[in-house]
Amino acid sequence: DAGVTQSPTHLIKTRGQQVTLRCSPISGHKSVSWYQQVLGQGPQFIFQYYEKEERGRGNFPDRFSARQFPNYSSELNVNALLLGDSALYLCASSKEDSTNYNSPLHFGNGTRLTVT
Amino acid sequence: RKEVEQDPGPFNVPEGATVAFNCTYSNSASQSFFWYRQDCRKEPKLLMSVYSSGNEDGRFTAQLNRASQYISLLIRDSKLSDSATYLCVVRSGYSTLTFGKGTMLLVSP
Repeated sequence: DAGVTQSPTHLIKTRGQQVTLRCSPISGHKSVSWYQQVLGQGPQFIFQYYEKEERGRGNFPDRFSARQFPNYSSELNVNALLLGDSALYLCASSKEDSTNYNSPLHFGNGTRLTVT
Repeated sequence: RKEVEQDPGPFNVPEGATVAFNCTYSNSASQSFFWYRQDCRKEPKLLMSVYSSGNEDGRFTAQLNRASQYISLLIRDSKLSDSATYLCVVRSGYSTLTFGKGTMLLVSP
């Protein structure tokens, strides 16, 4: 079975541009989360979606947005890029449903975004 | 106080050594706990969940003390392949995981 897949793997953008990152969860997983990992830090929570609805949002500006599609894949959009947005963006999926939120997350390989 | 704090590291140990990582969390309502392993420039991978009764998986033992809000990971008989960053992870919401900064382990021959 395929794991969580993310695209692209690497991306270089300039300040002010917009970027869209994509994620396909493991088959059967309905929950998708996005994390940002800056070098030397642990991943920071950005968004979580379950059944196409936003279930949680981390402490990120409105320049960050996301959505989940009927097939449970997801996109993360970042507008007006800043140098500080350079990071590894990780997508994770889990099996959980509305009654069980103890399933561990399975991460994709990430998209490494560099903003120049 | 940070939500999840870990030993700063790095830990440099010889093969065969026993090493312990410590982690504390600030949210007493936290519901579940994990250790993830992250290799350089790779994604985090689940190492093990952590249960109140303590749990063991081969050379790895995890402990949770809810009263002290403390989590630990013990690695026995370290292997070169154990070299990685170990992330302490706490779940406090539906699926929101809060990660520690990570502790790097370097196992040398």
